[in-house]
Amino acid sequence: GQQLNQSPQSMFIQEGEDVSMNCTSSSIFNTWLWYKQDPGEGPVLLIALYKAGELTSNGRLTAQFGITRKDSFLNISASIPSDVGIYFCAAAITGTASKLTFGTGTRLQVTL
Amino acid sequence: EAGVAQSPRYKIIEKRQSVAFWCNPISGHATLYWYQQILGQGPKLLIQFQNNGVVDDSQLPKDRFSAERLKGVDSTLKIQPAKLEDSAVYLCASSSRLAGVADTQYFGPGTRLTVL
Repeated sequence: GQQLNQSPQSMFIQEGEDVSMNCTSSSIFNTWLWYKQDPGEGPVLLIALYKAGELTSNGRLTAQFGITRKDSFLNISASIPSDVGIYFCAAAITGTASKLTFGTGTRLQVTL
Repeated sequence: EAGVAQSPRYKIIEKRQSVAFWCNPISGHATLYWYQQILGQGPKLLIQFQNNGVVDDSQLPKDRFSAERLKGVDSTLKIQPAKLEDSAVYLCASSSRLAGVADTQYFGPGTRLTVL
């Protein structure tokens, strides 16, 4: 089936640093989403992108929908300890059953 | 607004046993999803309901997995008989938008299943 390739797989950063992660696909999607999952919890939606080239911010988070519709990136500025978790990209094609395909995740660890 | 509720939170069974998971979506959400999340991977959709009808079950292993949403509200997912490779977290999600429209899916905390 469809696969979304996320990178990096994991990263260790210091508090205050900026973080960047991305997600690529061999297929075109018209919706890209970014989720965060904490241990023992379900994913929580961070940002939704519906238009190619769209750049959207949510506090310290900024995400962009790639112009080719095959990729997206997420930036976190000035990281804090509570940013620790696993970040998943997800993508969908509207007009079908709106099935979300998830990436493999980026595990973020923040050190003081 | 109450979130998506799931139970149990944890379940340990032996292979070949049966198990059932329950999900109560956010009130008024027409669309309900069950996902399987194997350790180290992203969630994979098993089945999608709109009200009490199945929209997509193409990735549900129908020889052992079944799901129902009889009254269009809560839902159960059953595995019978379980295999070792079924060990995973089973996530339920719901959405207020109709199937076919890119939506915001709200996830429950999941049920962690361990098959020994």
